[in-house]
Amino acid sequence: SFVLTQSPSVSVAPGQTARISCGGNNIGSKSVHWYQQKPGQAPVLVVYDDSDRPSGIPERFSGSNSGNTATLTVDRVDAGDEADYYCQVWGDGVVVFGGGTKLTVL
Amino acid sequence: EAQLVESGGGLVKPGESLRLACSASGFSFTNAWMTWVRQAPGKGLEWVGRIRSNIDGGGRTEYAASVKGRFTFSRDDARNTLYLQMNSLKIEDTAVYYCTRDPPDSSGIHPDAFDLWGQGTMVTVSS
Repeated sequence: SFVLTQSPSVSVAPGQTARISCGGNNIGSKSVHWYQQKPGQAPVLVVYDDSDRPSGIPERFSGSNSGNTATLTVDRVDAGDEADYYCQVWGDGVVVFGGGTKLTVL
Repeated sequence: EAQLVESGGGLVKPGESLRLACSASGFSFTNAWMTWVRQAPGKGLEWVGRIRSNIDGGGRTEYAASVKGRFTFSRDDARNTLYLQMNSLKIEDTAVYYCTRDPPDSSGIHPDAFDLWGQGTMVTVSS
């Protein structure tokens, strides 16, 4: 089955840029979606179809996808961005989530 | 405002059954394809499966291998409610269960994403 690999954690200082990667075999051929989940809350869709943002999501959140890696980028990180981030695709007839990356704001 | 509210979680013993419900409001539930996602304590998200709308999907269901044959999805469009019947529960089924919505065509959001989530309901399977 299709596997998505995420680094367990990323740490950045406030105001800096965070990049969260999601690896998968030829993931560039798939549509990748990203979710933010804060402690005790349900996930929230922040990027869909590689690089589009739902209404209400700040422009600071962006995405890209090519080759074997998709990337979620968060510009000008602030304390409110501290959360777990999950990538997701449809692969081999099932929904697949990455293992999640914890973004820590130093 | 579109909203999903899950209910029915609780503590059960291995081998027992439980039925979860997800009440939808603020959008056309009849047309919606709905998905269940779960999250074990301290772990990541896991797809449980999907039920298509009766209108354009025939109410067809798809299940993750880990739950196939034990879990059953159903929907009552008149009550705007989605159900998850869980039988032969195992300790590893312990998780928060979320219902989610596949985005409507009108949203412009890719249909493979999940644009609306409930708050989740906790299921604990323990002897």
